[in-house]
Amino acid sequence: QKEVEQNSGPLSVPEGAIASLNCTYSDRGSQSFFWYRQYSGKSPELIMFIYSNGDKEDGRFTAQLNKASQYVSLLIRDSQPSDSATYLCAVKGTGGFKTIFGAGTRLFVKA
Amino acid sequence: DTGVSQDPRHKITKRGQNVTFRCDPISEHNRLYWYRQTLGQGPEFLTYFQNEAQLEKSRLLSDRFSAERPKGSFSTLEIQRTEQGDSAMYLCASSPDRVYNEQFFGPGTRLTVL
Repeated sequence: QKEVEQNSGPLSVPEGAIASLNCTYSDRGSQSFFWYRQYSGKSPELIMFIYSNGDKEDGRFTAQLNKASQYVSLLIRDSQPSDSATYLCAVKGTGGFKTIFGAGTRLFVKA
Repeated sequence: DTGVSQDPRHKITKRGQNVTFRCDPISEHNRLYWYRQTLGQGPEFLTYFQNEAQLEKSRLLSDRFSAERPKGSFSTLEIQRTEQGDSAMYLCASSPDRVYNEQFFGPGTRLTVL
Protein backbone atom coordinates (compact mmCIF):
# COMPACT_ATOMS: atom_id res chain seq x y z
CA GLN A 1 0.00 0.00 0.00
CA LYS A 2 1.34 3.43 -0.97
CA GLU A 3 1.68 5.90 1.89
CA VAL A 4 -0.33 8.57 0.06
CA GLU A 5 -2.71 7.53 -2.70
CA GLN A 6 -4.47 9.65 -5.29
CA ASN A 7 -6.44 8.81 -8.39
CA SER A 8 -4.14 9.72 -11.26
CA GLY A 9 -7.02 10.92 -13.41
CA PRO A 10 -7.37 12.72 -15.63
CA LEU A 11 -10.41 14.32 -14.03
CA SER A 12 -12.32 16.40 -16.54
CA VAL A 13 -14.92 18.97 -15.46
CA PRO A 14 -16.70 21.75 -17.37
CA GLU A 15 -15.92 25.36 -16.64
CA GLY A 16 -17.90 26.62 -13.65
CA ALA A 17 -18.39 23.16 -12.12
CA ILE A 18 -17.03 21.84 -8.81
CA ALA A 19 -13.91 19.70 -9.07
CA SER A 20 -13.45 17.15 -6.29
CA LEU A 21 -10.00 15.70 -5.68
CA ASN A 22 -9.41 12.91 -3.18
CA CYS A 23 -6.49 11.50 -1.25
CA THR A 24 -6.02 8.69 1.27
CA TYR A 25 -3.04 8.12 3.55
CA SER A 26 -1.74 5.17 5.53
CA ASP A 27 -0.06 6.73 8.60
CA ARG A 28 -2.89 7.13 11.12
CA GLY A 29 -0.81 9.50 13.23
CA SER A 30 -0.24 12.00 10.41
CA GLN A 31 -0.47 15.59 11.56
CA SER A 32 -0.55 18.01 8.63
CA PHE A 33 -2.04 17.71 5.18
CA PHE A 34 -1.25 19.82 2.15
CA TRP A 35 -2.54 20.43 -1.34
CA TYR A 36 -0.16 21.65 -4.02
CA ARG A 37 -0.87 22.63 -7.62
CA GLN A 38 1.72 21.86 -10.27
CA TYR A 39 1.54 23.13 -13.82
CA SER A 40 3.37 21.16 -16.47
CA GLY A 41 7.10 21.84 -16.32
CA LYS A 42 6.79 23.96 -13.17
CA SER A 43 7.41 23.31 -9.49
CA PRO A 44 4.64 22.62 -6.94
CA GLU A 45 2.79 25.62 -5.54
CA LEU A 46 1.14 25.43 -2.11
CA ILE A 47 -2.63 25.96 -2.28
CA MET A 48 -3.59 25.28 1.31
CA PHE A 49 -3.02 23.05 4.29
CA ILE A 50 -5.26 21.57 6.97
CA TYR A 51 -4.49 19.92 10.27
CA SER A 52 -7.78 19.39 12.10
CA ASN A 53 -10.89 17.45 11.17
CA GLY A 54 -13.51 19.28 9.17
CA ASP A 55 -13.46 21.86 6.41
CA LYS A 56 -11.13 24.75 5.69
CA GLU A 57 -12.08 27.29 3.05
CA ASP A 58 -9.84 29.70 1.14
CA GLY A 59 -11.51 31.50 -1.74
CA ARG A 60 -12.70 28.94 -4.29
CA PHE A 61 -10.84 26.13 -2.53
CA THR A 62 -12.09 23.96 0.34
CA ALA A 63 -9.97 21.28 2.00
CA GLN A 64 -11.74 18.56 3.94
CA LEU A 65 -10.07 16.25 6.45
CA ASN A 66 -11.41 13.07 8.05
CA LYS A 67 -8.71 11.52 10.21
CA ALA A 68 -10.86 8.54 11.23
CA SER A 69 -11.19 7.55 7.57
CA GLN A 70 -7.63 8.73 6.76
CA TYR A 71 -9.04 10.79 3.94
CA VAL A 72 -8.43 14.32 2.73
CA SER A 73 -10.05 16.08 -0.20
CA LEU A 74 -9.90 19.33 -2.12
CA LEU A 75 -12.93 20.98 -3.67
CA ILE A 76 -12.50 23.66 -6.31
CA ARG A 77 -15.65 25.71 -6.87
CA ASP A 78 -16.38 27.60 -10.10
CA SER A 79 -13.57 25.74 -11.87
CA GLN A 80 -11.67 27.74 -14.49
CA PRO A 81 -9.52 26.56 -17.41
CA SER A 82 -6.55 28.07 -15.54
CA ASP A 83 -7.15 25.48 -12.79
CA SER A 84 -6.06 22.75 -15.23
CA ALA A 85 -2.98 21.25 -13.58
CA THR A 86 -1.81 18.32 -11.50
CA TYR A 87 -2.89 18.48 -7.87
CA LEU A 88 -0.56 16.88 -5.35
CA CYS A 89 -1.66 15.70 -1.92
CA ALA A 90 1.08 15.71 0.72
CA VAL A 91 1.11 14.38 4.26
CA LYS A 92 3.46 15.07 7.17
CA GLY A 93 3.71 11.92 9.23
CA THR A 94 4.38 11.23 12.85
CA GLY A 95 8.14 11.04 12.78
CA GLY A 96 10.39 13.96 12.00
CA PHE A 97 9.63 16.47 9.28
CA LYS A 98 9.44 14.16 6.28
CA THR A 99 6.53 14.95 3.99
CA ILE A 100 5.18 12.26 1.68
CA PHE A 101 3.60 13.25 -1.64
CA GLY A 102 1.06 11.38 -3.68
CA ALA A 103 1.59 10.95 -7.40
CA GLY A 104 -1.00 13.62 -8.15
CA THR A 105 -4.32 13.90 -9.94
CA ARG A 106 -4.46 15.61 -13.33
CA LEU A 107 -7.38 18.01 -13.66
CA PHE A 108 -8.72 19.34 -16.94
CA VAL A 109 -11.27 22.15 -16.91
CA LYS A 110 -13.04 22.41 -20.26
CA ALA A 111 -14.03 25.87 -21.47
CA ASP B 1 12.13 38.23 -5.46
CA THR B 2 12.06 36.65 -2.01
CA GLY B 3 11.15 33.10 -3.06
CA VAL B 4 13.30 29.97 -3.12
CA SER B 5 15.89 30.05 -5.88
CA GLN B 6 17.84 27.20 -7.46
CA ASP B 7 20.83 27.13 -9.75
CA PRO B 8 21.31 25.94 -12.41
CA ARG B 9 17.84 25.52 -13.86
CA HIS B 10 19.02 22.91 -16.33
CA LYS B 11 22.04 20.62 -16.34
CA ILE B 12 23.07 18.15 -19.01
CA THR B 13 25.95 15.86 -18.13
CA LYS B 14 27.54 12.65 -19.26
CA ARG B 15 27.27 9.46 -17.26
CA GLY B 16 30.01 9.21 -14.67
CA GLN B 17 30.43 12.95 -14.16
CA ASN B 18 29.79 14.75 -10.87
CA VAL B 19 27.20 17.52 -10.62
CA THR B 20 26.38 20.05 -7.90
CA PHE B 21 23.17 22.02 -7.47
CA ARG B 22 22.56 25.04 -5.26
CA CYS B 23 19.46 26.14 -3.38
CA ASP B 24 18.85 29.48 -1.67
CA PRO B 25 15.82 29.26 0.64
CA ILE B 26 13.51 32.05 1.73
CA SER B 27 15.69 34.07 4.06
CA GLU B 28 13.76 33.63 7.31
CA HIS B 29 13.15 29.88 6.82
CA ASN B 30 15.18 27.53 9.01
CA ARG B 31 14.08 24.32 7.32
CA LEU B 32 15.29 23.17 3.93
CA TYR B 33 14.36 20.09 1.94
CA TRP B 34 15.58 18.38 -1.20
CA TYR B 35 13.27 16.28 -3.38
CA ARG B 36 13.55 14.41 -6.65
CA GLN B 37 10.66 14.24 -9.08
CA THR B 38 10.32 12.09 -12.17
CA LEU B 39 7.59 12.27 -14.80
CA GLY B 40 4.18 11.26 -13.53
CA GLN B 41 5.30 11.00 -9.91
CA GLY B 42 5.09 13.28 -6.91
CA PRO B 43 8.21 14.73 -5.32
CA GLU B 44 10.26 12.07 -3.53
CA PHE B 45 11.91 13.14 -0.26
CA LEU B 46 15.72 13.07 -0.29
CA THR B 47 16.91 14.97 2.77
CA TYR B 48 16.04 17.64 5.33
CA PHE B 49 18.04 20.33 7.15
CA GLN B 50 17.16 22.28 10.26
CA ASN B 51 19.55 25.23 10.03
CA GLU B 52 22.95 23.61 9.27
CA ALA B 53 22.08 20.19 10.70
CA GLN B 54 21.05 17.40 8.33
CA LEU B 55 18.37 15.67 10.41
CA GLU B 56 16.79 13.25 7.96
CA LYS B 57 18.05 11.44 4.90
CA SER B 58 16.09 9.05 2.73
CA ARG B 59 17.17 5.44 2.77
CA LEU B 60 16.72 5.61 -0.99
CA LEU B 61 19.61 8.05 -1.19
CA SER B 62 22.70 6.21 -2.27
CA ASP B 63 26.22 7.06 -1.16
CA ARG B 64 26.65 8.95 -4.43
CA PHE B 65 24.38 11.71 -3.12
CA SER B 66 25.50 14.22 -0.54
CA ALA B 67 24.00 17.47 0.68
CA GLU B 68 25.33 20.30 2.79
CA ARG B 69 24.05 23.47 4.36
CA PRO B 70 27.26 24.82 5.90
CA LYS B 71 26.07 28.11 7.38
CA GLY B 72 22.39 27.37 7.70
CA SER B 73 21.57 29.47 4.66
CA PHE B 74 22.07 28.08 1.14
CA SER B 75 22.41 24.36 0.49
CA THR B 76 24.16 22.24 -2.12
CA LEU B 77 23.28 18.79 -3.43
CA GLU B 78 26.06 16.83 -5.11
CA ILE B 79 25.65 13.69 -7.18
CA GLN B 80 28.83 11.77 -7.85
CA ARG B 81 29.35 9.37 -10.77
CA THR B 82 25.98 10.21 -12.29
CA GLU B 83 23.89 7.46 -13.84
CA GLN B 84 21.12 7.71 -16.41
CA GLY B 85 18.61 6.85 -13.68
CA ASP B 86 19.54 10.09 -11.92
CA SER B 87 17.81 12.08 -14.66
CA ALA B 88 15.01 13.93 -12.92
CA MET B 89 13.87 17.29 -11.60
CA TYR B 90 15.61 18.13 -8.33
CA LEU B 91 13.47 20.37 -6.17
CA CYS B 92 14.41 22.40 -3.14
CA ALA B 93 11.84 23.65 -0.64
CA SER B 94 12.00 25.69 2.54
CA SER B 95 9.62 26.17 5.42
CA PRO B 96 9.35 28.38 8.49
CA ASP B 97 9.94 26.95 11.94
CA ARG B 98 6.28 26.09 12.58
CA VAL B 99 4.58 22.87 13.52
CA TYR B 100 2.52 22.66 10.31
CA ASN B 101 5.62 22.47 8.11
CA GLU B 102 4.15 24.07 5.00
CA GLN B 103 6.85 24.07 2.34
CA PHE B 104 7.55 26.48 -0.51
CA PHE B 105 9.32 25.15 -3.56
CA GLY B 106 11.96 26.61 -5.80
CA PRO B 107 11.77 26.31 -9.61
CA GLY B 108 13.86 23.13 -9.63
CA THR B 109 16.95 21.93 -11.48
CA ARG B 110 16.29 19.58 -14.37
CA LEU B 111 19.12 17.06 -14.72
CA THR B 112 19.66 15.04 -17.87
CA VAL B 113 22.32 12.34 -17.78
CA LEU B 114 23.39 11.15 -21.22
